[in-house]
Amino acid sequence: RKEVEQDPGPFNVPEGATVAFNCTYSNSASQSFFWYRQDCRKEPKLLMSVYSSGNEDGRFTAQLNRASQYISLLIRDSKLSDSATYLCVVNEAAGNKLTFGGGTRVLVKP
Amino acid sequence: DTAVSQTPKYLVTQMGNDKSIKCEQNLGHDTMYWYKQDSKKFLKIMFSYNNKELIINETVPNRFSPKSPDKAHLNLHINSLELGDSAVYFCASSQGFSYNSPLHFGNGTRLTVT
Repeated sequence: RKEVEQDPGPFNVPEGATVAFNCTYSNSASQSFFWYRQDCRKEPKLLMSVYSSGNEDGRFTAQLNRASQYISLLIRDSKLSDSATYLCVVNEAAGNKLTFGGGTRVLVKP
Repeated sequence: DTAVSQTPKYLVTQMGNDKSIKCEQNLGHDTMYWYKQDSKKFLKIMFSYNNKELIINETVPNRFSPKSPDKAHLNLHINSLELGDSAVYFCASSQGFSYNSPLHFGNGTRLTVT
């Protein structure tokens, strides 16, 4: 089993719709969680950290479920500019050794 | 602009050659990294330096040698390049080496070995 797994997609989303996807992680000792966004042929950029209580940033909502060992990202009112690959990132131990998932590709269409 | 910058952006070379990629950050961060993104888009850490000290050294062939002359620079030298080294290499930095420090990435170096 991979340490961090994501559905590669693509998720084809009509503009204005809501899309949600999960990421599972295997190490129950994982301490911190992030969502990064990567546009085609660009570098990954931090979208948001994921907190235990769940957190929201505008149209984006992240949740953490420690019992089932997954995090989720929900995008409301999707925009064309939301089309990207969303990378789930897990920090498993002390020290900044981040493990990246393979990414979930989202395509928002008019 | 404050940023992580790496050069060159594209690198095409033949098998057996030696090449270097340079990385500089002016964010004042004390930790820098090299990541490799292969054709399947998986990002994997290669090396991490904290205050010029090697902290993480993943299972990377010893043909890859990082060098950190100071906190703001982390260069990657690759000897005897092989076809399988073709990938995008990202430099990144973070403030501190705690588990909660997000990464700031450079824009990548696309290496093609022919």
